Amino acid sequence: GQQLNQSPQSMFIQEGEDVSMNCTSSSIFNTWLWYKQDPGEGPVLLIALYKAGELTSNGRLTAQFGITRKDSFLNISASIPSDVGIYFCAGPIYNTDKLIFGTGTRLQVFP
Amino acid sequence: DTAVSQTPKYLVTQMGNDKSIKCEQNLGHDTMYWYKQDSKKFLKIMFSYNNKELIINETVPNRFSPKSPDKAHLNLHINSLELGDSAVYFCASSPARGEAEAFFGQGTRLTVV
Repeated sequence: GQQLNQSPQSMFIQEGEDVSMNCTSSSIFNTWLWYKQDPGEGPVLLIALYKAGELTSNGRLTAQFGITRKDSFLNISASIPSDVGIYFCAGPIYNTDKLIFGTGTRLQVFP
Repeated sequence: DTAVSQTPKYLVTQMGNDKSIKCEQNLGHDTMYWYKQDSKKFLKIMFSYNNKELIINETVPNRFSPKSPDKAHLNLHINSLELGDSAVYFCASSPARGEAEAFFGQGTRLTVV
């Protein structure tokens, strides 16, 4: 079935560093979503993107909808310890109601 | 004032038992989902309902039966539990069919022993 691949799989960074991660698909998407999951909790929506090329920020987070519509990127600036968690991209498969999730990027921030 | 709430949060049960997980959303959303998260944290959609009507039914064993008594509730009943059913099950909702932004519950960690 369709899959969203995220890279890197995991990241270990120092507090204050910037972080970049991406999500790619073999098919086009009309919407890209980025979620964060804290341990023991459900995923929480961070940013939603609806248009190719769109760049949207939410505090220290910035996400971009790739021009090809087959990828999306998430950047976190000046990371802090509470940024720790798993970041997922997600998108509805074209012309369906099925929202699929990426493989996840696990972020660890050291003080 | 929890938006999407699931009960129970933890469920430990023996193989062969039947169990249910309940989900309620107070967001006024039309669409609800069940997702399964495995030990590698991969999230896979199982079912989706829109206004009590089943719209997505992934390749899930028929031991799993969702039920939506009204659009604010989507329960998941599992018969004859197996070891491989151990996972975290998430309920989610979105405003309407075709609106992708889904809001998730806290999850139910099911352990089958």
